[in-house]
Amino acid sequence: AQKITQTQPGMFVQEKEAVTLDCTYDTSDPSYGLFWYKQPSSGEMIFLIYQGSYDQQNATEGRYSLNFQKARKSANLVISASQLGDSAMYFCAMRGTQISSGSARQLTFGSGTQLTVLP
Amino acid sequence: GAGVSQSPSNKVTEKGKDVELRCDPISGHTALYWYRQRLGQGLEFLIYFQGNSAPDKSGLPSDRFSAERTGESVSTLTIQRTQQEDSAVYLCASSPTTLAANTGELFFGEGSRLTVL
Repeated sequence: AQKITQTQPGMFVQEKEAVTLDCTYDTSDPSYGLFWYKQPSSGEMIFLIYQGSYDQQNATEGRYSLNFQKARKSANLVISASQLGDSAMYFCAMRGTQISSGSARQLTFGSGTQLTVLP
Repeated sequence: GAGVSQSPSNKVTEKGKDVELRCDPISGHTALYWYRQRLGQGLEFLIYFQGNSAPDKSGLPSDRFSAERTGESVSTLTIQRTQQEDSAVYLCASSPTTLAANTGELFFGEGSRLTVL
């Protein structure tokens, strides 16, 4: 079974500052993928960034970077230079590679972190 | 269309009625997923379709829930005898493939908001 834990229900950050959203995971799969999605108040899910468990470097996409610490089973999202438009719900998710257990078939999501960027 | 399309965007129904929610995936995407998101919560997996293979129904919460998909086209999620606890946003997503963790992300629709009175 896979599990994603996001321990921060809500976070506040000042505009132009950096913020880290925490995510820890648990899986028995030997390889897996980690994802972050953004969900604005309008409701759509927007893919932000992906990290493979065997990737040598931490993933980066523009202002988003993923602080991947495999031994700690953490995959924190770092948003640099926060903007007002970054205010949204952020979800961490993972997918395994085991066909038999079904972990490869679906993304397992955390409960999310509501980020509010203050002007 | 270019993205995943869901309808209706909003549905208000009375307890005990049946509802159908529709999802039109991105053309060519073989995998289709249904998730449920209750207010202020994360996404719960409901069901997954991959091409013509048998669907993975492991996330369906009760036998009142069912879903169909014909080939790689439209999917319908049906909830029979709706209950108030069924009130949620039902999100559909599609993906070009799903057999490796390093394949791309899921592409989500905007969801169908169901309110059961």
